[in-house]
Amino acid sequence: GAGVSQSPSNKVTEKGKDVELRCDPISGHTALYWYRQRLGQGLEFLIYFQGNSAPDKSGLPSDRFSAERTGESVSTLTIQRTQQEDSAVYLCASSLRTGEKLFFGSGTQLSVL
Amino acid sequence: QKEVEQNSGPLSVPEGAIASLNCTYSDRVSQSFFWYRQYSGKSPELIMSIYSNGDKEDGRFTAQLNKASQYVSLLIRDSQPSDSATYLCAVIQAGGTSYGKLTFGQGTILTVHP
Repeated sequence: GAGVSQSPSNKVTEKGKDVELRCDPISGHTALYWYRQRLGQGLEFLIYFQGNSAPDKSGLPSDRFSAERTGESVSTLTIQRTQQEDSAVYLCASSLRTGEKLFFGSGTQLSVL
Repeated sequence: QKEVEQNSGPLSVPEGAIASLNCTYSDRVSQSFFWYRQYSGKSPELIMSIYSNGDKEDGRFTAQLNKASQYVSLLIRDSQPSDSATYLCAVIQAGGTSYGKLTFGQGTILTVHP
């Protein structure tokens, strides 16, 4: 596609449910990043992929969070047993190579009731 | 110490003035530095990248980098109301197991008033 695509754009879920967020990067982009942005806050690093490997998972807030990337393409971020503090916008971004310009998706607004 | 720190703001300047945004970083070996702009409710967009010491100019924007002081700044000349947004400094980590990690500062809110 022409840009980074994220789905769903909005997700409302009940506390305790699992959610899966999807990111389709720009074709050919080797680096892919996930960030979380709470209302009025900055971008909190979660994880990034170089190809299908994740060199740094240190930003994942807890073991309820996991992410994978396959085929050096689509990535999914899974949050198990969601909590209200997980409510935020989850942003995905990709770049052609590490260290180059990031292109952001429109984000997934997650609301945990 | 936070990996990337920005002056707290918010920053308010009159239309036509110069807006100055500052950022410091902790990873001494970082080589890649970026300024992103984020309008309310939108995703960040890149406005400047800089990799070498000195100044880099692009239209009304000038990025300045001083690696010895671990300092990067963004100047916006002839500020316009449309420049009102949150400005995010971002740094690529260059060493260790976190090579390639892109960390953002907390952002500085800029308001340009007519």
